[in-house]
Amino acid sequence: DTEVTQTPKHLVMGMTNKKSLKCEQHMGHRAMYWYKQKAKKPPELMFVYSYEKLSINESVPSRFSPECPNSSLLNLHLHALQPEDSALYLCASSQAPGGPAYEQYFGPGTRLTVT
Amino acid sequence: GQQVMQIPQYQHVQEGEDFTTYCNSSTTLSNIQWYKQRPGGHPVFLIQLVKSGEVKKQKRLTFQFGEAKKNSSLHITATQTTDVGTYFCAGPGRDDKIIFGKGTRLHILP
Repeated sequence: DTEVTQTPKHLVMGMTNKKSLKCEQHMGHRAMYWYKQKAKKPPELMFVYSYEKLSINESVPSRFSPECPNSSLLNLHLHALQPEDSALYLCASSQAPGGPAYEQYFGPGTRLTVT
Repeated sequence: GQQVMQIPQYQHVQEGEDFTTYCNSSTTLSNIQWYKQRPGGHPVFLIQLVKSGEVKKQKRLTFQFGEAKKNSSLHITATQTTDVGTYFCAGPGRDDKIIFGKGTRLHILP
């Protein structure tokens, strides 16, 4: 199984809502990532988890809160988002940390709209 | 910060024509990766280049890594409609991060 799954596919939320994005992989990968991608732009790294510990936080606002419950799951908790946070949120995994040394497998993404 | 520059930003080609996208870095790269993202899709890994001067082929796609390991190219021969999408190069940044180029969007004219 070389698939990364993400739920939901689409999410519309108000600025006062709390929601969570979920990501799952069963490839035994030990590094997992959250990216944000705006239209016609490259993916922007948000967070990296290495062996289930947060290793990189790219100065992401605290209204985004990542969580890695186990080696297969990655969540992104959302609270009090702003309209400019509307984007495609991509989860990815790689065999091990050491980012660029390993190919990244991306999930299909969650398209988030903040109203 | 470290950047990977990618050109062109857009490319329109007639079906059957060739296409090339280029990536450049001001610093030596330990490796470079290439990804393709179809419209409405997610990035999909194509290849990784590690060695100076390396050339790898995947059917109609040819990937090159420069001798100085500061530049790379992706060349598609005889484009087909299935080649439509955005092609990203990605290089290593600080602290084991991946830095994506801005991508080249390929449009195929039938």
